[in-house]
Amino acid sequence: EVQLVESGGGLAQPGGSLRLSCAASGFTISSYWMSWVRQAPGKGLEWVANIKQDGSEAYYVDSVKGRFTISRDNAKNSLYVQMNSLRAEDTAVYYCARWEFTSGWYYLDSWGQGTLVTVSS
Amino acid sequence: QTVVTQEPSFSVSPGGTVTLTCGLSSGSVSTNYYPSWYQQTPGQAPRTLIYRVNTRSSGVPDRFSGSILGNKAALTITGAQAEDESDYYCVLYVGSGIWVFGGGTKLTVL
Repeated sequence: EVQLVESGGGLAQPGGSLRLSCAASGFTISSYWMSWVRQAPGKGLEWVANIKQDGSEAYYVDSVKGRFTISRDNAKNSLYVQMNSLRAEDTAVYYCARWEFTSGWYYLDSWGQGTLVTVSS
Repeated sequence: QTVVTQEPSFSVSPGGTVTLTCGLSSGSVSTNYYPSWYQQTPGQAPRTLIYRVNTRSSGVPDRFSGSILGNKAALTITGAQAEDESDYYCVLYVGSGIWVFGGGTKLTVL
């Protein structure tokens, strides 16, 4: 069974840092693009970042560029995001998700349950 | 900055049919944008519904279908049931490695 389990969320001060982790099981992440998607309280889903299978490419939403870094450790079957210079607007549930590529189509086919990040003084 | 548009809310009667759409602030949605659809109930992680225009994810009932309608991607629920009351999101690939979710549609079944 495919499973994604996020951890590392919590309370951070504005300007502070947090590192989120996502432990995968039931599949090997080295075969997949992986992603972080977030959802602010009462708001919609927002794609945050993607990382290629070997970590050689990463892409970010403009609002986190230069502050967040997505990474992966395929040997540990884990995905990470280092979040620096946190702002109140980064407060959200952060989901780890897997991109499937089937018949020439990319889509998110597996999601974790999410971890809550709260940025507040 | 690309904005992906969805109806903020929609209402459907039980047994009725509703079509939700996913568009672009400028331009037309095509298969080049890899539209896919997700369902989310409060407090839960999203669930994958539709990809590759009209392919249902595993376990998704066949009352859910997808299409390209005119210049938008569309999700149709035929014979809506009470348990379909959820938030629905589309996501599009807008190029240069960037994906954008729509703002979501809150569907009420009553």
